[in-house]
Amino acid sequence: QKEVEQNSGPLSVPEGAIASLNCTYSDRVSQSFFWYRQYSGKSPELIMSIYSNGDKEDGRFTAQLNKASQYVSLLIRDSQPSDSATYLCAVRSNFGNEKLTFGTGTRLTIIP
Amino acid sequence: EPEVTQTPSHQVTQMGQEVILRCVPISNHLYFYWYRQILGQKVEFLVSFYNNEISEKSEIFDDQFSVERPDGSNFTLKIRSTKLEDSAMYFCASRGDRSSEDRPQHFGDGTRLSIL
Repeated sequence: QKEVEQNSGPLSVPEGAIASLNCTYSDRVSQSFFWYRQYSGKSPELIMSIYSNGDKEDGRFTAQLNKASQYVSLLIRDSQPSDSATYLCAVRSNFGNEKLTFGTGTRLTIIP
Repeated sequence: EPEVTQTPSHQVTQMGQEVILRCVPISNHLYFYWYRQILGQKVEFLVSFYNNEISEKSEIFDDQFSVERPDGSNFTLKIRSTKLEDSAMYFCASRGDRSSEDRPQHFGDGTRLSIL
């Protein structure tokens, strides 16, 4: 059973601070990793994708990948109240048509 | 920006009835997916579809479920005889070809299915 694990939270971060979200995965052959943001009652919205070890930055967001440790993280700098949402980590299978396996998500609250 | 569209946004159906959920993927995308999310739980893969056939399906996707691409734009999920436990948000997703390393899937807004 391929698993994606996240701390469900809630994670509370003051406005303007850095929010750090973590994810581990069990399938060593996984190649691509995605962070989706999901507001309550809404669909997952792609925030970041990463497939190489190291850091990838896009605006206030940085994704970090360590395949040896099977660990992927998302940093959100200068956190805003609008960042309050559930963040889903998803791992792409290398087989078939590459379904995504999701974690349960981390609920993030930015405190003004 | 192109998006995946799903209809209806909310479907209420009596247990045992058939239901069809509709999706229009992004126009140049080739791979299509259905996922579901039971309230308070994780997003779960149901089925993937490429070149007019199912390429992978999960244990959830039993004989009560079917998918179809009846024309060049629509992609449908049919549940033949609905059960109470089918109540969930159903998301359609699509992605482009294999040339992009990341190959992200883009999700529609979902259909909330309520079985009474």
